[in-house]
Amino acid sequence: DIQMTQSPSTLSASVGDRVTITCRASQSISSWLAWYQQKPGKAPKLLIYKASSLESGVPSRFSGSGSGTEFTLTISSLQPDDFATYYCQQYNDYWTFGQGTKVEIK
Amino acid sequence: EVQLVESGGGLVQPGGSLRLSCAASGFTFSTDRMNWVRQAPGKGLEWVSYISSSSTTIYYADSVKGRFTISRDNAKNSLYLQMNRLRDEDTAVYYCARGMTGMNYFDYWGQGTLVTVSS
Repeated sequence: DIQMTQSPSTLSASVGDRVTITCRASQSISSWLAWYQQKPGKAPKLLIYKASSLESGVPSRFSGSGSGTEFTLTISSLQPDDFATYYCQQYNDYWTFGQGTKVEIK
Repeated sequence: EVQLVESGGGLVQPGGSLRLSCAASGFTFSTDRMNWVRQAPGKGLEWVSYISSSSTTIYYADSVKGRFTISRDNAKNSLYLQMNRLRDEDTAVYYCARGMTGMNYFDYWGQGTLVTVSS
């Protein structure tokens, strides 16, 4: 089974900050990685697929990079609506999520 | 507009059964792969099961294999999850999610239905 490890688990940041979340896979997954945003009581929302492709309608301040086993999600300038929990997901071999990164207000 | 609406959640005793449903609209359900994903209270996301568009390919997470059965009725635009021999650790919000055609990430999710397993 492929394990996904996100870091950090919690991130405190201010509006306007540049934020980076890392996701590592236990084995190579090529670029078969997605990022989701989840707010309390809501379903996850797709942000990024194939490691770096921005889902339609998602603001351009969100970007993804990486391949193989190391990936990053970057928010270039954090907005009030971005305080949420973010999950990476590999879909190379079945499906596995990272444990999540909660982005909190500093 | 794509819509996925889950139903069927509730309180059930350990060892009991429950059947979840997911009603799909706004897209051609019969051509799309579907999944169930769950989230225990305060925890992360866990993929549960996958079904191909024609039901020919089905996968389960090890944690539910032999207890849960995924199925679909393309004539009714509906996805199901039959859950038997439920355990305390199956307590979670269960989401249905569409698998993107040609790839396998989940592009649309329902709002979820809560299953509580407790005596």
